[in-house]
Amino acid sequence: DQQVKQNSPSLSVQEGRISILNCDYTNSMFDYFLWYKKYPAEGPTFLISISSIKDKNEDGRFTVFLNKSAKHLSLHIVPSQPGDSAVYFCAASYTGGGNKLTFGTGTQLKVEL
Amino acid sequence: GAVVSQHPSWVICKSGTSVKIECRSLDFQATTMFWYRQFPKQSLMLMATSNEGSKATYEQGVEKDKFLINHASLTLSTLTVTSAHPEDSSFYICSAAKTGGGGTDTQYFGPGTRLTVL
Repeated sequence: DQQVKQNSPSLSVQEGRISILNCDYTNSMFDYFLWYKKYPAEGPTFLISISSIKDKNEDGRFTVFLNKSAKHLSLHIVPSQPGDSAVYFCAASYTGGGNKLTFGTGTQLKVEL
Repeated sequence: GAVVSQHPSWVICKSGTSVKIECRSLDFQATTMFWYRQFPKQSLMLMATSNEGSKATYEQGVEKDKFLINHASLTLSTLTVTSAHPEDSSFYICSAAKTGGGGTDTQYFGPGTRLTVL
């Protein structure tokens, strides 16, 4: 049972444009969501997070939006840069869950010149 | 900062031997660390939760006698793959939970360890 889903395995965007990565979840207990960026043969790097009490969190070029009613979150990267090319994972946890993260399957982002 | 290191970054061993992987939080204390495994082109699979001073909690299907976890201090957790076999070859990643504002914890990941069992 995949509780966190990233339905787009890959995304290609031109440099300077906006990248939008989507994530859906099914477990209504999730109340904390995170986005990680991962290069091959490396550990994930934390990008940005959002608590369920908010619907938006912004950090530089990265903005995460949360739509609780739709159980959907998205990561916006603007402007996209070639160095952003990586696999992006969304992850979710819930209070009382022992800080365990449930990861999505990842989206490979390619930013082209 | 929130830096997590892993050692070694890669290891090749013979079938039947044991391999120890270390995970350290370098600039913060972590009462909880996690061990993941990632197969090629797949998501991260949580293997176990490592709590300082207590036994690890293993996810369903993960053999605790095969994957020994020791959380010796607030900055160090180790994963020992005992009697390794080729099917244990994988990319092992640890993370350490750092408490942020509002009581939420964010996991910071190590760079991973590539294990190859011949």
